Amino acid sequence: EVQLVESGGGWVQPGGSLRLSCEASGFNFRIYWMRWVRQAPGKGLESVATIHKDGSEKYYVDSVKGRFTISRDNAWNSLYLEMDSLRAEDTAMYYCARDQGWGCSATSCSTTRSDNWGQGTLVTVSS
Amino acid sequence: QSALTQPASVSGSPGQSIAISCTGTSSDVGGYNYVSWYQQHPGEAPKFIIYDVSSRPSGVSDRFSGSKSGNTATLTISGLQAEDEADYYCSSYTSRSALYVFGTGTKVTVL
Repeated sequence: EVQLVESGGGWVQPGGSLRLSCEASGFNFRIYWMRWVRQAPGKGLESVATIHKDGSEKYYVDSVKGRFTISRDNAWNSLYLEMDSLRAEDTAMYYCARDQGWGCSATSCSTTRSDNWGQGTLVTVSS
Repeated sequence: QSALTQPASVSGSPGQSIAISCTGTSSDVGGYNYVSWYQQHPGEAPKFIIYDVSSRPSGVSDRFSGSKSGNTATLTISGLQAEDEADYYCSSYTSRSALYVFGTGTKVTVL
């Protein structure tokens, strides 16, 4: 059974930092792209970042570029999200998800869906 | 990365069929057959229920079906049940970003 378990969330003041972790089990972690998705309280879903199977490619939503870093350790079946310079608008539940599918345009390719999700870890940024 | 447009809410009585639309552009929904749908009950993580416009993962009820016409994808829930009351999100591959884009979300209420 595929399991994704997030940890590391909590309360932090604006400008602070947090490191989220996601421990994966039940599948061959190293052959999947992985993703972080967040959901602000009462709001919709937003893709935050995605990472290649071997960590060689990383992509971010514009609002977190330069502040968040996605990484992974395939030896430990773990995904991470390092969050710096946190803002109130980063307050959200953060989900780890396993990516599937592959779509291509004329210029690039990327994964097309997430088939398994963790239960999430809550990040609150407030003074 | 602009969100796809969904109605804020849709409701129906038990046993009825309802449809949830998801409108994008030729750069996402209209240009590619990579639309997915997710169901989210309150306090829970999203669950993946449709992919590639109309395919169902194993274990998902056949009461859920997907389709697409032009720039609009549609999720249809037939034989509506109380357990279908949840939020539903579409998503689509987009040529404008390496991150697929989500819809705004639709709250389904079973009357």
